[in-house]
Amino acid sequence: NAGVTQTPKFQVLKTGQSMTLQCAQDMNHEYMSWYRQDPGMGLRLIHYSVGAGITDQGEVPNGYNVSRSTTEDFPLRLLSAAPSQTSVYFCASSGFSGSTDTQYFGPGTRLTVL
Amino acid sequence: RKEVEQDPGPFNVPEGATVAFNCTYSNSASQSFFWYRQDCRKEPKLLMSVYSSGNEDGRFTAQLNRASQYISLLIRDSKLSDSATYLCVVPRTWSGYSTLTFGKGTMLLVSP
Repeated sequence: NAGVTQTPKFQVLKTGQSMTLQCAQDMNHEYMSWYRQDPGMGLRLIHYSVGAGITDQGEVPNGYNVSRSTTEDFPLRLLSAAPSQTSVYFCASSGFSGSTDTQYFGPGTRLTVL
Repeated sequence: RKEVEQDPGPFNVPEGATVAFNCTYSNSASQSFFWYRQDCRKEPKLLMSVYSSGNEDGRFTAQLNRASQYISLLIRDSKLSDSATYLCVVPRTWSGYSTLTFGKGTMLLVSP
């Protein structure tokens, strides 16, 4: 049981490049979410999904897209990278509820945009 | 009042000390609360849930004061391994779905 996995662990992009951050979980969790963590800002919700085929925006969705074609996978796409998107990105999953069940986090992706 | 507010610290304490962190929240309808622990450059992990007045797990005690809208975390007999950032987490509703709001965290440094 690997839990929540994220790839890559580190990434450097140039401004304007696009890329996809991968997230997968093997716990059959319905709820998955993406957060970014910046110094002094705490964790901020980017997008979340309550099941396959259902996604919605969080508080900082601009510049990011998501899709949920399977229960296991929840990729985050950066459309045109900007230096303001330099951050640590965490994917999380929980069983049935996004607010009462334990959130299991992946190890994070450290992204630098030059 | 901000959704979730914590003193960022750092709290510097010697081994064996007792230390307490407070967290205030703005949504009076919140029913469940959490403390997550985050080690340096690692992912957050659940430390404790708080569903009623409080919860105790070994050296860790979480208290909830609904009237004043704050949650506290008490750590007794601090260990070096307790050095971490402690995140106060409160549920919220976003676009009709339940999600979580994370505080910015309180850093604890335990020294020998």
